[in-house]
Amino acid sequence: DAKTTQPNSMESNEEEPVHLPCNHSTISGTDYIHWYRQLPSQGPEYVIHGLTSNVNNRMASLAIAEDRKSSTLILHRATLRDAAVYYCILRDLNTGNQFYFGTGTSLTVIP
Amino acid sequence: DAMVIQNPRYQVTQFGKPVTLSCSQTLNHNVMYWYQQKSSQAPKLLFHYYDKDFNNEADTPDNFQSRRPNTSFCFLDIRSPGLGDAAMYLCATSLAGTDTQYFGPGTRLTVL
Repeated sequence: DAKTTQPNSMESNEEEPVHLPCNHSTISGTDYIHWYRQLPSQGPEYVIHGLTSNVNNRMASLAIAEDRKSSTLILHRATLRDAAVYYCILRDLNTGNQFYFGTGTSLTVIP
Repeated sequence: DAMVIQNPRYQVTQFGKPVTLSCSQTLNHNVMYWYQQKSSQAPKLLFHYYDKDFNNEADTPDNFQSRRPNTSFCFLDIRSPGLGDAAMYLCATSLAGTDTQYFGPGTRLTVL
């Protein structure tokens, strides 16, 4: 399974943008890039996913490098409720429905 | 609201005493997953069901079993819990061929 590498922790000031990086240098052509986050004492929740093109939704934006070896999750204005562990996950639809979580980035939002 | 429900939220068992955790879903998804998440670690996939087909991860200990009697319910059985099995157990569902997994709130298992 392709692996992802993320910083263990990051801090952001409230109401400022946050850029969470993820490296996936061994990504294959059929791997989708998924981001989930896990708030304290809750199960993970879907944030965003993409294949090649940048993606936007109401929660965040996903910027994917042209070579797809890295991606960045962008929270446009961090709030205290965004404090969570953010996981970058590669998923190959050809090999099944499984997710294999990386270590994730713990985001602290400073008021 | 459609959701993934896990009961109980907290479970205490004794060393070696079998325990069953349950998961139900109202999403009518055909894939259900069980993950183990130890303290300060990422979730680790134990196994999943694609409809009735059981798919075990290669490194999941034999101590962990699962049952899926119907689409809505899935159970995780730990036959002889050890201290190292204390963790949060997460259930998730998805619709095959789609990209999103929906997680329940988890059951935190304590082994005494």
